[in-house]
Amino acid sequence: DIVMTQSPDSLAVSLGERATINCKSSQSVLHSSNNRDYLAWFQQKLGQPPKLLIYWASTRESGVPDRFSGSGSGTDFTLTITNLQADDVAVYYCQQYSSSPRTFGQGTKVEIK
Amino acid sequence: DVQLVESGGGLVQPGRSLRLSCTTSGFAFGDCSMSWFRQAPGKGPEWVGLIKNKDYRGATEYAASVRGRFTISRDDSKSIVYLQMNSLKTDDTGIYYCTRDEWGGLCGFYDYWGQGAMVTVSS
Repeated sequence: DIVMTQSPDSLAVSLGERATINCKSSQSVLHSSNNRDYLAWFQQKLGQPPKLLIYWASTRESGVPDRFSGSGSGTDFTLTITNLQADDVAVYYCQQYSSSPRTFGQGTKVEIK
Repeated sequence: DVQLVESGGGLVQPGRSLRLSCTTSGFAFGDCSMSWFRQAPGKGPEWVGLIKNKDYRGATEYAASVRGRFTISRDDSKSIVYLQMNSLKTDDTGIYYCTRDEWGGLCGFYDYWGQGAMVTVSS
């Protein structure tokens, strides 16, 4: 199984500032057949299902503000939230869909400082 | 509009069975592979398993924690995917979600989620 490890577990950021979440996979999620990283980022607010933010490591889902961006390849990935808004308070998860079982990171809780 | 609606959840005793349904609309269901995920109270999401699209004859894959106890099936004529859960354990308690999976590359994936079906396994 591919183990996904996120850091930090939580972070507090001031409104308007930047939040950076890291995700590391235990093996590469880059497929050489199509040169794509099978890595997604989700946002989850209390009482709601996960919401897809980013897929293919850096492609923003339709309707997601451009304050959210994903980067990285292979085994190391980053979700960056710029100009943090109050509505961004949530838990964020990375997930690999390179192979089964699909696996998630443990989550990063983002709060307002 | 794409919609996925999970149903069939409830309170069940350990060792008993339950079948969840995920009724879908708004997309070419037969072209899409579908996954079930679950989330235990206060925990992160966990993948349960997937069923591939018709090109892959509905082949299934499961998480080790449910393999041999859970079965995923689909009815392409009704655009429904099912999760049959047998020999339920207290650890199976949580909210169960279905969503489109990337497998096969023909559909959008993880982009639409229902509100989930709550399953509580308790004596």
